[in-house]
Amino acid sequence: AQSVTQLGSHVSVSEGALVLLRCNYSSSVPPYLFWYVQYPNQGLQLLLKYTTGATLVKGINGFEAEFKKSETSFHLTKPSAHMSDAAEYFCAVSDIQAGNNRKLIWGLGTSLAVNP
Amino acid sequence: EPEVTQTPSHQVTQMGQEVILRCVPISNHLYFYWYRQILGQKVEFLVSFYNNEISEKSEIFDDQFSVERPDGSNFTLKIRSTKLEDSAMYFCASSRGSADTQYFGPGTRLTVL
Repeated sequence: AQSVTQLGSHVSVSEGALVLLRCNYSSSVPPYLFWYVQYPNQGLQLLLKYTTGATLVKGINGFEAEFKKSETSFHLTKPSAHMSDAAEYFCAVSDIQAGNNRKLIWGLGTSLAVNP
Repeated sequence: EPEVTQTPSHQVTQMGQEVILRCVPISNHLYFYWYRQILGQKVEFLVSFYNNEISEKSEIFDDQFSVERPDGSNFTLKIRSTKLEDSAMYFCASSRGSADTQYFGPGTRLTVL
């Protein structure tokens, strides 16, 4: 069965510092991988996704993630944090064995705080 | 930009009562999903729906749960007899195709007393 582990339930960075949110997955088949962000009192918004092709994926708001098959990782990075990046970040993997639909399997989430 | 909407944003109910959570998916999407997140836990898949029928459901989605697309625009989740442990944030999502991005609504926070 597929699973997702996000290391660090809370991450705190200074404004302008590098953001690194870790995600590792387990899958017996090539996965689709996603990062979603949830701002306070809002829904889940897609930041970026990896399906096939280039392993470095760029998303919205300056975020990017790299799919590393050998490490089974899909870490999320942003070179310079902004106060508006404070939110909950979720890594998810798509179950591609399910045939006609692709349920998402989620990590526990990482709460990112950005300090002035 | 089209978005998924959900109503109500917060629902409080007594244990044993029936609740219906409503979702309006993006209009040209064909795949619909419900997920839930119990406070402090992972987001969990409940059910997926395509072509007017359930395509997959999780172990959580027992006989107390049902989904319906009554009028071609709404997608509802009904919990027949709520339990305390049903208290959670419920998210609706939709996608155009099975492999396409799932777009999520803002969620309904269900509190069962």
